[in-house]
Order: sequence, then structure tokens, then C-alpha cells
Amino acid sequence: EPEVTQTPSHQVTQMGQEVILRCVPISNHLYFYWYRQILGQKVEFLVSFYNNEISEKSEIFDDQFSVERPDGSNFTLKIRSTKLEDSAMYFCASSLQGRANVLTFGAGSRLTVL
Amino acid sequence: QKEVEQNSGPLSVPEGAIASLNCTYSDRGSQSFFWYRQYSGKSPELIMFIYSNGDKEDGRFTAQLNKASQYVSLLIRDSQPSDSATYLCAVNGEIKAAGNKLTFGGGTRVLVKP
Repeated sequence: EPEVTQTPSHQVTQMGQEVILRCVPISNHLYFYWYRQILGQKVEFLVSFYNNEISEKSEIFDDQFSVERPDGSNFTLKIRSTKLEDSAMYFCASSLQGRANVLTFGAGSRLTVL
Repeated sequence: QKEVEQNSGPLSVPEGAIASLNCTYSDRGSQSFFWYRQYSGKSPELIMFIYSNGDKEDGRFTAQLNKASQYVSLLIRDSQPSDSATYLCAVNGEIKAAGNKLTFGGGTRVLVKP
């Protein structure tokens, strides 16, 4: 079964450092997303990406965050200067075009900011 | 602020019984409704989706939607210990051409006891 692949599975970084989380969406999917889940809290939407541009972003997705699809397969989330409160599990997801818009999630990248 | 509310649980059910999970949402314009299962430390895994009023069955799972009451539920029949997980309700708002974000509830933790 097709799956969304995320790397790294766990990253530890120092506050203020830049982090790039990588995702390979399902190959025929058109919409790409990043969500995050702080330990013990809800899954929160960060950003959606379609046709090589951001289609929607949440208020969490401020100037410290950026996304890119550098080639035909990868989708990345960059955090420019990490803060302690960025520690969370970051999930990449992708979906086909369709009314129900079913999202398939990757296994997640756990980010720990010290 | 669009909200999705769930009872956090834990909902304790004996093996073989029916587990009943509820979810309410605030955005009356919501179009699609999803149930995800999340094991501890893992990513959300789609169980089923529903977008028409009424019931939808898939194996041991039945989703029920009542848009007038802004209420969606999930029944798990013949509950198994492997069903022990957190169940996330997610709601999709107005359909847009460039994809849509999901708003998640906080999840209901289900414990199935042998």
C-alpha cells in the first residue's frame, strides 16, 4: 500500500538552530500538508500546499516556517530559528483531489528543541 | 474559531462489547467528517469518513452523522484489545479547489479490557 515517508524520525536540536523536516508524499497525490502535535495535545493544521504554492496556512505558521517542493517527490518543512515550544511531532500528509479529501499521514518526525 | 469537541475518556469497554464515541463540531458549514485512530506515539490512521446524514458501516465500524445537531459518532462493534487507542474526530470545512485543512478534536482514549 502506498505510504507517506518522513525523515528524520527524531531530531534533537538546540534552540535557535534551523531544522528541515522531509517528506515524500504518495506519488499520485496532489495536495500536501504539514500538521503538528505537541505531546498530549490536539493534532493542529500548519499548512497546505497545492500546485507549487501554499493554499492555506494557520496562524501557527509564521515567518519562522516555510515549505518547499524542491523536486517532483520531496516536500519539506523548514523552521528557521527553533524555539522550545516548537518541540512536537510533525506529520506530513497528502491527498488526492476529491470531495472527501482523505488524508494519508506519514509516521511523523519528532522534533526536540533543547 | 472552529471547534471539534470529544470526551477525552478513557472509555473502558469489555472485550466483545460495543464502544460508542461522540464528537460535536461548531462550524455548521462543515462538509466532511473523518475518524482516525492513533496509537501512542504513532500517526493518525484513517478508519472511515462520512459526508451524508445517516449511517455508514465498514466492517466492525459504523459512523453516524447528524448535521442538524452538528454531531458525528463512531460505533465499534465486537471491540478487541487491539482497538485500544485514541480515536480522533476530524472535520473538513468548506470545500475549496486547493485542498482543505482538517480540524481535529482532542481524541477519545478507548481501553478494551480482555
